Amino acid sequence: SQKIEQNSEALNIQEGKTATLTCNYTNYSPAYLQWYRQDPGRGPVFLLLIRENEKEKRKERLKVTFDTTLKQSLFHITASQPADSATYLCALAPAMSQAGTALIFGKGTTLSVSS
Amino acid sequence: DVKVTQSSRYLVKRTGEKVFLECVQDMDHENMFWYRQDPGLGLRLIYFSYDVKMKEKGDIPEGYSVSREKKERFSLILESASTNQTSMYLCASRRTGTSGRKNEQFFGPGTRLTVL
Repeated sequence: SQKIEQNSEALNIQEGKTATLTCNYTNYSPAYLQWYRQDPGRGPVFLLLIRENEKEKRKERLKVTFDTTLKQSLFHITASQPADSATYLCALAPAMSQAGTALIFGKGTTLSVSS
Repeated sequence: DVKVTQSSRYLVKRTGEKVFLECVQDMDHENMFWYRQDPGLGLRLIYFSYDVKMKEKGDIPEGYSVSREKKERFSLILESASTNQTSMYLCASRRTGTSGRKNEQFFGPGTRLTVL
């Protein structure tokens, strides 16, 4: 069966350290993979997208890698701050994503950054 | 500024009531989605629509129906609410496309529904 897994429900780190979140998938050949941030009681907000032919993408303190051989994406937050505390969701789009297809979301990893 | 709005942030209904959750987007997106989110279960897709009057079942459509009469509006209907439908309901929209940021999905603020 098709699965997308974020293998930590919760991650606790100290301020200033790098947070690394993992997203693994099986039985998909995704066209791209996305990462979202969700704060309590709010809807998810898009952060980054990485395509199947890209190895790495950066945006300010965020970095995403995508390894289609390992079927894995890593999401890094460098120099983490308490304000980075949130739940982070990965989502993938099946290959040839077009009208009539839905993103598949992982269950999320809740990151807590302590000062 | 792009926006997805949902008709209510909080809603309390009684078992057996018919419940309507409304979602409106102002981005002219073709695709719209309804999810429910429960602790430990993540986001689960109920229904989605890729065009006006078109709908597709998601992972958990039982007990729900949807309506999309206009491009900007997607309604979720609970025909006869039950206590196990107490949840956070999230609407989202997304443009049809195959590249770049065009595939970003925009979410509404959510409706916390409690069925007593």
